[in-house]
Amino acid sequence: AQTIHQWPVAEIKAVGSPLSLGCTIKGKSSPNLYWYWQATGGTLQQLFYSITVGQVESVVQLNLSASRPKDDQFILSTEKLLLSHSGFYLCAWRPDYAEQFFGPGTRLTVL
Amino acid sequence: AQSVTQPDARVTVSEGASLQLRCKYSYSGTPYLFWYVQYPRQGLQLLLKYYSGDPVVQGVNGFEAEFIKSNSSFHLRKASVHWSDSAVYFCAVSAGSNNRIFFGDGTQLVVKP
Repeated sequence: AQTIHQWPVAEIKAVGSPLSLGCTIKGKSSPNLYWYWQATGGTLQQLFYSITVGQVESVVQLNLSASRPKDDQFILSTEKLLLSHSGFYLCAWRPDYAEQFFGPGTRLTVL
Repeated sequence: AQSVTQPDARVTVSEGASLQLRCKYSYSGTPYLFWYVQYPRQGLQLLLKYYSGDPVVQGVNGFEAEFIKSNSSFHLRKASVHWSDSAVYFCAVSAGSNNRIFFGDGTQLVVKP
């Protein structure tokens, strides 16, 4: 069975500091991977997606970047955090059919 | 392009009552439709999906949804809600397996004891 992990579970960071969030999918080769951002109590905003190693497409950047250094890993990062980056970050993967499966999420608080 | 409208931001029902959460989508072809549930501080979990065939699809925990093409709707139903059903429910649409999924804004369900 496939499993998806996100790290860290939660982060509290200062404005202007760097950030790196990670997502790993196990048990599935060459998955399509996705990053979403969710404001507190809010809608889902798709940020990036990747269908293969080294290739990332941006949907909405929000001063963030993403990379896929390995087949099973998707990284979300920024060099300078903004207050507006606070929220819940969700990674998702998609098998060969249509639905997506989500990770447990990372809660980010920027102070 | 596809889009999803969930007209009710918040729905409150009493435990044991029936439930309908509304979802309308916009897509000219035959869509792939989904309902997800999000419990506090967790990721989204797939409740049910519609690809084709029987327009009434069954999901987990007694949830079902009906695809009505003429109305562009995919409402979620449950005959008798439990307090543990309190969560945020998202409707989503996709044009296919290689296409982006579009999510609605979500409906907060509050089940009163």
